[in-house]
Amino acid sequence: LAKTTQPISMDSYEGQEVNITCSHNNIATNDYITWYQQFPSQGPRFIIQGYKTKVTNEVASLFIPADRKSSTLSLPRVSLSDTAVYYCLVGDNPYNQGGKLIFGQGTELSVKP
Amino acid sequence: NAGVTQTPKFQVLKTGQSMTLQCAQDMNHEYMSWYRQDPGMGLRLIHYSVGAGITDQGEVPNGYNVSRSTTEDFPLRLLSAAPSQTSVYFCASSTRDPHSGANVLTFGAGSRLTVL
Repeated sequence: LAKTTQPISMDSYEGQEVNITCSHNNIATNDYITWYQQFPSQGPRFIIQGYKTKVTNEVASLFIPADRKSSTLSLPRVSLSDTAVYYCLVGDNPYNQGGKLIFGQGTELSVKP
Repeated sequence: NAGVTQTPKFQVLKTGQSMTLQCAQDMNHEYMSWYRQDPGMGLRLIHYSVGAGITDQGEVPNGYNVSRSTTEDFPLRLLSAAPSQTSVYFCASSTRDPHSGANVLTFGAGSRLTVL
């Protein structure tokens, strides 16, 4: 099972770009990389998913190097409402044999005015 | 609204009592799972199911039972509650994207359980 490592916490200011990196050295060939966002007292919600190179949507960008042993979630011009915990999840296909979807501890992002 | 529905939202139990946390989804998702989240910690997988009639253990299965008799429902049973099971419980479901083969989890709003 691919284990992920993220910084426990990060601070930023409104309007800045925030980059959160996740390490996943033993990622498997079939594994996708997915990021989730969780606000207090709510369930996590999907942000972005990718397999390799770069993926961009209306919320964020995801950068994945060629070796896929890490990934970086990029949040452009954060606002106070982006204060949340961000989880990197690897191994997104539970149909693989033994494929359990295991979350790491996440990164607590605090955006200040 | 389509999604994952968890009940109850809040529950207080005494040690030794039993109860069932309900989870239902109306998206026809094959995969369902239960997580617990303790203060300041991430999500830990309790049990999961890849389809009706199929369940398996996650990281922290002890003290919990599950069954999956239908695609829609995935109840989590606590047979004899203990204070260590005080937590917020999240149910999630997903289905495989037909193009990429990847999955995206949809979570319920959570059930906050306190065991005295």
